[in-house]
Amino acid sequence: AQKVTQAQTEISVVEKEDVTLDCVYETRDTTYYLFWYKQPPSGELVFLIRRNSFDEQNEISGRYSWNFQKSTSSFNFTITASQVVDSAVYFCALKSFAAGNKLTFGGGTRVLVKP
Amino acid sequence: DTEVTQTPKHLVMGMTNKKSLKCEQHMGHRAMYWYKQKAKKPPELMFVYSYEKLSINESVPSRFSPECPNSSLLNLHLHALQPEDSALYLCASSQDRWGENTEAFFGQGTRLTVV
Repeated sequence: AQKVTQAQTEISVVEKEDVTLDCVYETRDTTYYLFWYKQPPSGELVFLIRRNSFDEQNEISGRYSWNFQKSTSSFNFTITASQVVDSAVYFCALKSFAAGNKLTFGGGTRVLVKP
Repeated sequence: DTEVTQTPKHLVMGMTNKKSLKCEQHMGHRAMYWYKQKAKKPPELMFVYSYEKLSINESVPSRFSPECPNSSLLNLHLHALQPEDSALYLCASSQDRWGENTEAFFGQGTRLTVV
């Protein structure tokens, strides 16, 4: 079985503050893929990043950065200098061969950025 | 182009009606998915098509009937739904189910209300 836990259900920040979203995962597989998706109020799930289990390099893309640590089974996501348009629900997700390659989502973290 | 198009965006139907949700992608993806999402919850997988064949049915009631007429199209036929089936229905596609480029791209969803 695989599981994704996003302990923070809601985070509220003021514009320009940094915000870090936590994601902890469980899987028995040695090969797996981790994802972050953003869901704005419009409803569409927007793909942000995929990380393969054999690639622990952290990544930065503009104001977004991701910290993947296999030792703690975590894949955290930081938004630097948040903006109102970052307000959305963010989902961490996991896919592994052992679980039929089905995408397992965490419960989501709602981020509210106030002007 | 990473677009998945779903129609209609909103649908209200009675419990005796028959309706269909449509999904289209032109990315050459060979895996397509239907998810159901209730308010404040993560998406739940319903069906997976791989190379136009149904490969996963997550024990979905028979009042939901998927169809994949060709590699670009995915339909979800609805009949005799219950009010508790009201939800956001999301379609997604990925290059295939098993390869490394395994991220799914989602449409904007159909907000279904059963009255």
